[in-house]
Amino acid sequence: EDQVTQSPEALRLQEGESSSLNCSYTVSGLRGLFWYRQDPGKGPEFLFTLYSAGEEKEKERLKATLTKKESFLHITAPKPEDSATYLCAVQGRGGSQGNLIFGKGTKLSVKP
Amino acid sequence: EADIYQTPRYLVIGTGKKITLECSQTMGHDKMYWYQQDPGMELHLIHYSYGVNSTEKGDLSSESTVSRIRTEHFPLTLESARPSHTSQYLCASSDLGGGPHNEQFFGPGTRLTVL
Repeated sequence: EDQVTQSPEALRLQEGESSSLNCSYTVSGLRGLFWYRQDPGKGPEFLFTLYSAGEEKEKERLKATLTKKESFLHITAPKPEDSATYLCAVQGRGGSQGNLIFGKGTKLSVKP
Repeated sequence: EADIYQTPRYLVIGTGKKITLECSQTMGHDKMYWYQQDPGMELHLIHYSYGVNSTEKGDLSSESTVSRIRTEHFPLTLESARPSHTSQYLCASSDLGGGPHNEQFFGPGTRLTVL
């Protein structure tokens, strides 16, 4: 069964304090791993798709990396506006009909 | 502008009422989805559709129903709302998934409260 586990559940950082969020997954044939940002009361906003181990993608202060078992979302010198819940999801080639399986997310708070 | 829309954004309604949550997209996507999300919990897929006249049940059992008469429109209906239906409902769309671009794009959500 496809599964996604995100850690930590919550992370509090000072502005400028870099850190990483973890997404561990098990999937029968990875088609893609997705990162989203979700602000309170809003729908998730797409950030990145990673398709194969070793792949990296960057956007402003965010960088996503992928191995065969996990993905990391690295946040460099975060600002208060980076505060949000970050969601990880996988798409497998097995019985999930190509649908996404989401983790519970990591709630990031960045204090000025 | 390509986007995905949901109405209403907030809905407070009494038990037993029939409700329809609207979702429309101008993304040009074939596949559409409905998710349910409770606070602090993961998104659970309740319905999806590959295109017109296609509807499938998701991983989470739901008493709601959906229809897909037009490509861009995917409404969700609850025939008789109950307090247990209180949740955030999120609509999304994507390409069919055969190619490299499988990303799902989400609407702003409908926060439903059933009293």
